[in-house]
Amino acid sequence: EIVLTQSPGTLSLSPGERATLSCRASQSLNNNYLAWYQQKPGQAPRLLIVDASRRATGIPDRFSGSGSGTDFTLTISRLEPEDFAVYYCQQYGSSPANTFGQGTNLEIK
Amino acid sequence: QVQLQESGPGLVKPSETLSLTCTVSGDSINPYYWSWIRQPPGKGLEWIGYIYYTGSTNYNPSLRSRVTISVDTSKNQFSLRLTSLTAADTAVYFCARGGWSHGIWGQGTLVIVSS
Repeated sequence: EIVLTQSPGTLSLSPGERATLSCRASQSLNNNYLAWYQQKPGQAPRLLIVDASRRATGIPDRFSGSGSGTDFTLTISRLEPEDFAVYYCQQYGSSPANTFGQGTNLEIK
Repeated sequence: QVQLQESGPGLVKPSETLSLTCTVSGDSINPYYWSWIRQPPGKGLEWIGYIYYTGSTNYNPSLRSRVTISVDTSKNQFSLRLTSLTAADTAVYFCARGGWSHGIWGQGTLVIVSS
């Protein structure tokens, strides 16, 4: 099973700043099959990025994904107040299971 | 638009079996994959498994011996069955569309395993 390790565990930033979140896989991902989600308290996760770098429908362009192989990054170019949440990466397409990272809590400084 | 709604008991006793149903509205259950994902209180997400509308399945190896996912295309529903429950199965259970990435989710339902 592929293990995803996200860093940092908590990121404290101010609105308007740039956020860089990391996700490292224990082995190379097929076709860079990696997604990013945003989750706010009491809500279901929201899909942001698929295939490592493609924004999902309706996602603002301040969100971008990059990386390949085992190292992936989610960047939020200029933080808006509504961006403070927990972010998860997820790998898919690698048998026998999909797996999620443990999450990064993006909090207001 | 497409909406998913989980339904089932909120409290289940240890050693018993959990049954949850996800009702899909706004679109047909064909020709998509459908998943169950759970989240223990205050913790991260765990993928449980997925089913294709034809009935083929794939389960998380850590849960495979206890999980069954089924689909009822006539009712536009799919279901989760999890046996031999313990306190560690206490979680919010989400249904979602897609076998890989998940763009549409239900709101989630909290299941507590306690006597």
